[in-house]
Amino acid sequence: QQQVKQSPQSLIVQKGGISIINCAYENTAFDYFPWYQQFPGKGPALLIAIRPDVSEKKEGRFTISFNKSAKQFSLHIMDSQPGDSATYFCAASPTGANNLFFGTGTRLTVIP
Amino acid sequence: NAGVTQTPKFRILKIGQSMTLQCTQDMNHNYMYWYRQDPGMGLKLIYYSVGAGITDKGEVPNGYNVSRSTTEDFPLRLELAAPSQTSVYFCASSPGGSHQPQHFGDGTRLSIL
Repeated sequence: QQQVKQSPQSLIVQKGGISIINCAYENTAFDYFPWYQQFPGKGPALLIAIRPDVSEKKEGRFTISFNKSAKQFSLHIMDSQPGDSATYFCAASPTGANNLFFGTGTRLTVIP
Repeated sequence: NAGVTQTPKFRILKIGQSMTLQCTQDMNHNYMYWYRQDPGMGLKLIYYSVGAGITDKGEVPNGYNVSRSTTEDFPLRLELAAPSQTSVYFCASSPGGSHQPQHFGDGTRLSIL
């Protein structure tokens, strides 16, 4: 059973466009929601994370939007660049724990 | 800084063989994790450790064993390899406390034939 559902599976965006990846969860014990970026042949690396006490967090071109009532969160990549081409994973962690439950990943391709 | 180092990078095993995937970190992190990554499935937690001598099961522990005798090392053992264990295995570490960033190694690609 997938505890965090992620969509789309793949995404193609023109350079300069906005990339949007969505995730949803059911477990109300989750209170930490990170996004990881993975390049081919490498391990995932933390990109940005949010806790449910805020509805939005922005770091440079990357923004997480969080809707606690809908149990949904999303990653927005503004002004997408070819160097952003990677696989993105959303994840969630329960209160007081470090265990991460990952989504199934989104393969983003940014076309020059 | 080496960070999290995994060896080997690639390995082919025959069904029924055993092997140990090695993981070491030089960041003095208390927490360490093993994940497996299958196509279209994301990463699933196999085992984790909150410190030397302490380990616990994750989502998919069957067929695997771990030990943690030092802060730096967290090996993963496959006793009787099965085709279902063909996957990419990632080791990660994080500082103590909840909700700390996890730092991943570059993975071991394991094929069981």
